Amino acid sequence: DVKVTQSSRYLVKRTGEKVFLECVQDMDHENMFWYRQDPGLGLRLIYFSYDVKMKEKGDIPEGYSVSREKKERFSLILESASTNQTSMYLCASKRATDTQYFGPGTRLTVL
Amino acid sequence: QKEVEQNSGPLSVPEGAIASLNCTYSDRGSQSFFWYRQYSGKSPELIMFIYSNGDKEDGRFTAQLNKASQYVSLLIRDSQPSDSATYLCAVMTSGSARQLTFGSGTQLTVLP
Repeated sequence: DVKVTQSSRYLVKRTGEKVFLECVQDMDHENMFWYRQDPGLGLRLIYFSYDVKMKEKGDIPEGYSVSREKKERFSLILESASTNQTSMYLCASKRATDTQYFGPGTRLTVL
Repeated sequence: QKEVEQNSGPLSVPEGAIASLNCTYSDRGSQSFFWYRQYSGKSPELIMFIYSNGDKEDGRFTAQLNKASQYVSLLIRDSQPSDSATYLCAVMTSGSARQLTFGSGTQLTVLP
């Protein structure tokens, strides 16, 4: 079974804090993704990575950065958290032409 | 025009009925099609995928693909209250084999 884990299920941070969300997959997948999901807006792609140290912007990269130093780990960084970044964050991974497998999600609240 | 469109619902069906969920896509070169189920507060989980025109059955679920009309559907037979969830359609478009494009989801409620 593919396993995608995320470092926290729930996180509460204050405006201006730097926030790290970590994602780890155990299936040697090349591709990893970060989405946010908000009511009425569906899944929106923030960043994805198709190889170690490689990254590409998704639909809404502003206010976020990512890091992929190892194949199994993909980190999402909020440089200075803002209240409009309160959301459910979902990590996913996949092989090149396979489907995506999602982690359990991190519900982030920024106060 | 959105690349992948679904009726947002909510769709309500009585227990035991057939639930029909529809999805249309704009990229005629799309290769692969996926249905995910997402319970409230949980992450999406894959339930079906289909690559070829026609029907694909898996238990109570049937995926139907019509590439000429650019739609894919999911039928749930003998619907159960536990099927109540949001169903996401996802399409692997021709532009990139690395990512999927998701619809906004259809909320299904199965009434006991």
